[in-house]
Amino acid sequence: ETGVTQSPTHLIKTRGQQVTLRCSSQSGHNTVSWYQQALGQGPQFIFQYYREEENGRGNFPPRFSGLQFPNYSSELNVNALELDDSALYLCASSLERLAGGIETQYFGPGTRLLVL
Amino acid sequence: LAKTTQPISMDSYEGQEVNITCSHNNIATNDYITWYQQFPSQGPRFIIQGYKTKVTNEVASLFIPADRKSSTLSLPRVSLSDTAVYYCLVGAGGNNAGNMLTFGGGTRLMVKP
Repeated sequence: ETGVTQSPTHLIKTRGQQVTLRCSSQSGHNTVSWYQQALGQGPQFIFQYYREEENGRGNFPPRFSGLQFPNYSSELNVNALELDDSALYLCASSLERLAGGIETQYFGPGTRLLVL
Repeated sequence: LAKTTQPISMDSYEGQEVNITCSHNNIATNDYITWYQQFPSQGPRFIIQGYKTKVTNEVASLFIPADRKSSTLSLPRVSLSDTAVYYCLVGAGGNNAGNMLTFGGGTRLMVKP
């Protein structure tokens, strides 16, 4: 157990709809990252939020957007859903590391989204 | 970001030592090497991180040669529960736009009885 929770666990939507996925980060962590994982592939970075500001973005279109709240929880919003958006969406929280090295990211169990 | 190459899959038996090698020829001076483990329907879990030489924790060891162009994750005496996908990642830290994790395809380890 990492202390990172995500909701819902599963979701079915139809093409063109909008979806909001939620993530509660581990206590004390000020950074949240979102990843998309298609079946059989490694997770792909969507974006990261650090202290409520977007802090980096992967190769995803603008219809993927996010928010981070003062309590460091986060939302991922996807508009105009497409069939290819069907995937496991992972949230990971971390605490900034001021020294060298990559801060350890603690992943939640994910939300499995199916777009029909 | 440095690209990584690792075997697609490996098989082993319970009690054996498993070594998974990752190539990262374009690793930068300030890059670290990190390994994650992922079980089906779960998020990845941090295993170990290193910069050079050898790092050991309660779960695994990480061997990094002097040129740092490759690294080897060593799992001692694997059990059936070690069956998972193992990802090798390379990147620099710091809270800037570059500290995202870039996952490749990973290595699917199957441990047999």
